[in-house]
Amino acid sequence: GESVGLHLPTLSVQEGDNSIINCAYSNSASDYFIWYKQESGKGPQFIIDIRSNMDKRQGQRVTVLLNKTVKHLSLQIAATQPGDSAVYFCAEPSVGGGKLIFGQGTELSVKP
Amino acid sequence: DTAVSQTPKYLVTQMGNDKSIKCEQNLGHDTMYWYKQDSKKFLKIMFSYNNKELIINETVPNRFSPKSPDKAHLNLHINSLELGDSAVYFCASSQMGQVNSPLHFGNGTRLTVT
Repeated sequence: GESVGLHLPTLSVQEGDNSIINCAYSNSASDYFIWYKQESGKGPQFIIDIRSNMDKRQGQRVTVLLNKTVKHLSLQIAATQPGDSAVYFCAEPSVGGGKLIFGQGTELSVKP
Repeated sequence: DTAVSQTPKYLVTQMGNDKSIKCEQNLGHDTMYWYKQDSKKFLKIMFSYNNKELIINETVPNRFSPKSPDKAHLNLHINSLELGDSAVYFCASSQMGQVNSPLHFGNGTRLTVT
């Protein structure tokens, strides 16, 4: 069945270090992936997306890498800041489209 | 501000009661959703409406009844509330058919059933 899973439920990093959040997906036909950030008390917020014809996409301080061979994607945050503390979700459209399937979520904590 | 807004933010009620959550989006999107987030942060879709028509119903108990009076509004009515309904409910919207149209979420309604 469809699933989008994360390797680690929690991640703690020192302020200024780089963070890497991983996500595994099961649908090899998926062609679009999205990362969301959810701060405490708020709804998930779009960060960055990537289509399957790309291996890498960069945003401001964030980079998403896609490895279709092993069905894995990661979100890299450079120079992590306290404001990056949140739960991060990867998501992909369902088979046939129409809805987004969310992964488990990784809680990122940034230590000052 | 352009946004997805839902009310109330907090809802505390007793088992057996009926309650409603309202959602409005002013992003001009044609599709709206309700997601449920459990205590472990897992997000699961409940319903999706496109231009006021129900297109996704994810085996949600029929105590939950969504209503879309127009494409900018999607309300959720819950009858006979149960303890297990306690969760955070998120409304979201997007533009169907648009290649890069991610979901825009509201800030959630935390429902506590006692």
